[in-house]
Amino acid sequence: AQSVTQLDSHVSVSEGTPVLLRCNYSSSYSPSLFWYVQHPNKGLQLLLKYTSAATLVKGINGFEAEFKKSETSFHLTKPSAHMSDAAEYFCVVTAYNNNDMRFGAGTRLTVKP
Amino acid sequence: DTEVTQTPKHLVMGMTNKKSLKCEQHMGHRAMYWYKQKAKKPPELMFVYSYEKLSINESVPSRFSPECPNSSLLNLHLHALQPEDSALYLCASSQVDMGFRGNQPQHFGDGTRLSIL
Repeated sequence: AQSVTQLDSHVSVSEGTPVLLRCNYSSSYSPSLFWYVQHPNKGLQLLLKYTSAATLVKGINGFEAEFKKSETSFHLTKPSAHMSDAAEYFCVVTAYNNNDMRFGAGTRLTVKP
Repeated sequence: DTEVTQTPKHLVMGMTNKKSLKCEQHMGHRAMYWYKQKAKKPPELMFVYSYEKLSINESVPSRFSPECPNSSLLNLHLHALQPEDSALYLCASSQVDMGFRGNQPQHFGDGTRLSIL
């Protein structure tokens, strides 16, 4: 079985400063990992995915994440936050079965002017 | 703009009403999903269709009835809902995971916000 833990329920940063959203995973199989973003009253948008290729994954809107097997982590980063990044972020793990997506509890990102 | 289109965006219904939620995608995906999302919570899987056949029902009450009329359309028929069913209902689609690697991302619509009076 697999699971995901998002270590922070809420992260607050100032505009122009770096963003770090933390995610640890557990999986009995080689995992696939995803980050999704959800803006208010919207669906989930795929930011990036890791599927056993390069461990440093680049996504949309300047986000990237690094898969670290030894630390069972897949943290999401962005060098400089923008006001439009304020949203809910979900880390997701799957393994073996694409239907069995396990969501983290979510991290709410607030960006201060 | 999302590639998965859900209608209506908002729906208010009484507990005795019958209504349907609709979802459409034209990405050629053969797996489609319904999720329920309560406020400040992650989505919860309800149903999965693979090649237009129901493959997963996550013990959802029978007042929710899914239907997949063709490879592009997914419906969720609602009848005799309860106030606790008020939520955001999300549809998603993906390629079928032929390699059993779990590596096909799901693409989500913007959801239908459902309120039960």
